[in-house]
Amino acid sequence: EVQLVESGGGLVQPGTSLRLSCAASGFTFDEYAMHWVRQAPGKGLEWVSGIPWNSDSIGYADSVKGRFTISRDNAKSSVYLQMNSLRAEDTALYYCAKASNGYSRASSVSWGQGTLVIVSS
Amino acid sequence: AIRMTQSPSSFSASTGDRVTITCRASQGITTYLAWYQQRPGKAPKLLISSASTLQSGVPSRFSGSGSGTDFTLTISSLQSEDFATYYCQQYYNYPYTFGQGTKLEIK
Repeated sequence: EVQLVESGGGLVQPGTSLRLSCAASGFTFDEYAMHWVRQAPGKGLEWVSGIPWNSDSIGYADSVKGRFTISRDNAKSSVYLQMNSLRAEDTALYYCAKASNGYSRASSVSWGQGTLVIVSS
Repeated sequence: AIRMTQSPSSFSASTGDRVTITCRASQGITTYLAWYQQRPGKAPKLLISSASTLQSGVPSRFSGSGSGTDFTLTISSLQSEDFATYYCQQYYNYPYTFGQGTKLEIK
């Protein structure tokens, strides 16, 4: 069974940094791309970033480009989201998702339960 | 970025009704289109990928169609568990983008 467990969320001040982690199990991690998707309170889904199995061809939402960095450690079956220069509008539940294949052009097949990030002074 | 526009934004229907949700992309995405269902307080669930491929375990009352810029999600006979919010997403080009969602409510 696929399991995705996000961690690292919390309450932070504007302008600071946070690193989210997602620990994966139940599938061959290094064969699949991974995505981060977020959802602000009471709002819709926003795709944040995606990384293929080999970390080539990484993508970001325009709203986070230059501030967020996605990475993965295939040996640890984990994907990360380094979030810098956080803003109030980054407040959201952040989901980690397993893609349908190892490359780009992949839907999000399995989702974690999310980790909450609150950016507030 | 490709903009995805869903309609309607919300909709009231009754159990047993046939419902269609539409999704339009601001440029052609061939069939790189997914539909997700999200129940309150839960993570999204992938229903359909590649515009029309039903995921394993998803009831056959759900179907998807379309290509290029215009897509539809149809629920042939609404069940109580189908009252949720539905999102389309293009994964043709980065950044992958979602529609704003369609909230399906009980009439």
